[in-house]
Amino acid sequence: SAVISQKPSRDICQRGTSLTIQCQVDSQVTMMFWYRQQPGQSLTLIATANQGSEATYESGFVIDKFPISRPNLTFSTLTVSNMSPEDSSIYLCSVRTGTSGRALNEQFFGPGTRLTVL
Amino acid sequence: GQQVMQIPQYQHVQEGEDFTTYCNSSTTLSNIQWYKQRPGGHPVFLIQLVKSGEVKKQKRLTFQFGEAKKNSSLHITATQTTDVGTYFCAGRPFNDYKLSFGAGTTVTVRA
Repeated sequence: SAVISQKPSRDICQRGTSLTIQCQVDSQVTMMFWYRQQPGQSLTLIATANQGSEATYESGFVIDKFPISRPNLTFSTLTVSNMSPEDSSIYLCSVRTGTSGRALNEQFFGPGTRLTVL
Repeated sequence: GQQVMQIPQYQHVQEGEDFTTYCNSSTTLSNIQWYKQRPGGHPVFLIQLVKSGEVKKQKRLTFQFGEAKKNSSLHITATQTTDVGTYFCAGRPFNDYKLSFGAGTTVTVRA
């Protein structure tokens, strides 16, 4: 298993500013992901955070808007840049811990960061 | 791209009754997983199904994976107030490491 912490847990930001969300895991993990979940909606994958290289973004998400870092196997950051009210959402960090069997696929989620943009 | 459809979106259940949520994929899956998200919480892994026709039980929860590995279901018997939350299925296609989440079934329980 993995215990994930995210900071901040919530924030209210002004339009045009940027917010960096931190994800810290209590153990080394194989894969780290960033998701967005709008109220009452499902989970949308933003990108896969790659250790030591550029993140892999999903369709509709770009690095200039959502820069991601992953300097090591336990930590990642997601920045939401030049925010607008449409960016108001919950942002979730998620990890996988293994390379085979159930651990290859099972994902653990952080508590999320609730972002409101005014 | 691969899509996972989940129905119903909402399920309002009398305490003690049974209900089922269904998940269908547009493509054959390597495996399917189920997660539960309590109100105000984050998704928590429940189970993974890998084999065609697989059935797994967790107390009052029964999970099935279809023979064609394109659909799955979660059946809850004797619903309790602790079952409140949103249940997501998530499918992983072959040759892809990413999960595709269904829209979720949000369950409310009336006592």
